[in-house]
Amino acid sequence: EVQLVQSGAEVKKPGESLKISCKGSGYSFTSYWIGWVRQMPGKGLEWMGIIYPGDSDTRYSPSFQGQVTISADKSISTAYLQWSSLKASDTAMYYCAKTWDPTTVTVFDYWGQGTLVTVSS
Amino acid sequence: QSVLTQPPSASGTPGQRVTISCSGSSSNIGSNTVNWYQQLPGTAPKLLIYSNNQRPSGVPDRFSGSKSGTSASLAISGLQSEDEADYYCAAWDDSLNGRGVFGGGTKLTVL
Repeated sequence: EVQLVQSGAEVKKPGESLKISCKGSGYSFTSYWIGWVRQMPGKGLEWMGIIYPGDSDTRYSPSFQGQVTISADKSISTAYLQWSSLKASDTAMYYCAKTWDPTTVTVFDYWGQGTLVTVSS
Repeated sequence: QSVLTQPPSASGTPGQRVTISCSGSSSNIGSNTVNWYQQLPGTAPKLLIYSNNQRPSGVPDRFSGSKSGTSASLAISGLQSEDEADYYCAAWDDSLNGRGVFGGGTKLTVL
């Protein structure tokens, strides 16, 4: 059974760093892209970026380039999303998702349960 | 402001057919396929339609997708109460070195 299990909710202060995770199982982790999607409170979905764990090829949406870092450790089938200095505006639910196949980076067939990140002083 | 434009809301009564539109441009819908996601309250999104009109296994055939030019549509026939959810279109956009883009979402209410 394909599963993406994300790390738990986080409460952080502005300026702090954070790294959240997404562990894949039940499929070949290195053969499909993993994407990250942001959903701010009461708002829609935003495509942040994707990584191909097989070779760590990473693409960012211009809106998120330089704001976050996407990485993966294929030895433990885990992808990461990290911030070096959080802002209150980073408060959101973050989802990871795997692509349907290696060639279609907007078709996400399995999703993690989401990680709620709250940034507040 | 989302790159793909959807109506913020739609509604219908049980049994009715409703459609949700998604308008884009030549750099996204006009040159790439469209996917649709359903997000039930408090849950992660679920893939509903991919490659304009393909349904993953397990998605009822009440759901269908189409694309024409720079617009796409999701149709739901035989509306059921459990279809009440947010619906998002998505596509690849070739501008700005390429990026994925979502529509702003449409909240479907079953009256």
